[in-house]
Amino acid sequence: IAGITQAPTSQILAAGRRMTLRCTQDMRHNAMYWYRQDLGLGLRLIHYSNTAGTTGKGEVPDGYSVSRANTDDFPLTLASAVPSQTSVYFCASSDGSLGEQFFGPGTRLTVL
Amino acid sequence: QKEVEQNSGPLSVPEGAIASLNCTYSDRGSQSFFWYRQYSGKSPELIMSIYSNGDKEDGRFTAQLNKASQYVSLLIRDSQPSDSATYLCAVKPDRGSTLGRLYFGRGTQLTVWP
Repeated sequence: IAGITQAPTSQILAAGRRMTLRCTQDMRHNAMYWYRQDLGLGLRLIHYSNTAGTTGKGEVPDGYSVSRANTDDFPLTLASAVPSQTSVYFCASSDGSLGEQFFGPGTRLTVL
Repeated sequence: QKEVEQNSGPLSVPEGAIASLNCTYSDRGSQSFFWYRQYSGKSPELIMSIYSNGDKEDGRFTAQLNKASQYVSLLIRDSQPSDSATYLCAVKPDRGSTLGRLYFGRGTQLTVWP
């Protein structure tokens, strides 16, 4: 593993289903983030974690939950998917000192 | 509300020209500024960081920061078709409880035509 990986690459999901997007980093960064990117709206922060064991809400947290059991992993869960959650989801990490964030390749999610 | 504003474009320049991308931000206490490049269908890639007033050059890229005017720009010299992408401006506020959180502009789409 080099950098940040996300899985799956893409997914089509029926509304009402539960889905977990996975994110793993091997840079030992303390902070991790989940964004969604929609045409015309840019990147919007869903949830973040400053360090293992802590999480916080971003701009658009409703319908999503996260956990941070260890430094490397930061999964994002949609408990009951809705069509408005159709988006491209990016995970990012940062060591926090200068603020530089590094992004994973993204997950394209379609909720029907 | 910490806002980061960019011209959405699209900005179109001929190959070899200078492309100028602009960004303004609302939080006067912001200390760190970043430019990301995002190719269609790909993830944002960090290309420049700037932390103090003035210019910072890296190859064909120059970032310019003016904190008094709350303005940051990216110049791309000798533009190439491979520079065609969306460029995102991001700002890290100095204050706030979210360690390392960035605020992103919506991006400027650049097209460099041969």
